[in-house]
Amino acid sequence: EIVLTQSPGTLSLSPGERATLSCRASESVGSKYLAWYQQKPGQAPRLLIYGASNRITGIPQRFSGSGSGPDFTLTISRLEPEDFAVYYCQQYGGSRPTFGQGTKVEIK
Amino acid sequence: EVQVVESGGGLVQPGGSLRLSCAASGFAFDNYWMTWVRQAPGKGLEWVASINQDGSEKYYVDSVEGRFIISRDNVKKSTYLQTNSLRVEDTAAYYCARELRFYYNYMDVWGKGTTVIVSS
Repeated sequence: EIVLTQSPGTLSLSPGERATLSCRASESVGSKYLAWYQQKPGQAPRLLIYGASNRITGIPQRFSGSGSGPDFTLTISRLEPEDFAVYYCQQYGGSRPTFGQGTKVEIK
Repeated sequence: EVQVVESGGGLVQPGGSLRLSCAASGFAFDNYWMTWVRQAPGKGLEWVASINQDGSEKYYVDSVEGRFIISRDNVKKSTYLQTNSLRVEDTAAYYCARELRFYYNYMDVWGKGTTVIVSS
């Protein structure tokens, strides 16, 4: 099983600041198999990025993904109030996908 | 509107069973994989099971293998998760999601979830 480790666990930032979230896989993962999700309290997860760097329709340009196996990054260029949430990376290294443990982006 | 809606959660004793349902609408259901993901209270996301378009491929996380069964009915545009021999650690919100497994792989449509509580 491929394990995804996200860092940091919590990111305390102010609106307008840049957020950089890391996701490291325990073995190489193809970029097309890496996705990022956002989850707000009491809500279902929402897909943001697929294929490591492709934004889903409707996701603001301030969200960007980059990287290649095993290291991937989600960047939020300027945090808006609605961006404070938990972010998960996910991989499909085989038939059984796995999620990272999540990074919480909180208001400083 | 493209959506999936879960139902069937509830309170069950350890060792009991529940059948979770997920009704899809607004898209060609039989063109997609479907998946279940769960989230224990205060914890992260855990993939549980996936099923391909015609039900011929099914995959499970190790912790539910042999206890949970995923299935689908393409006529009813629904997918199901039969949960048996439930344990306290199966307590979670269970989300149904539409899944793409083609060139890119991801889960792009999620329901609001249904909650399973396993307690005596």
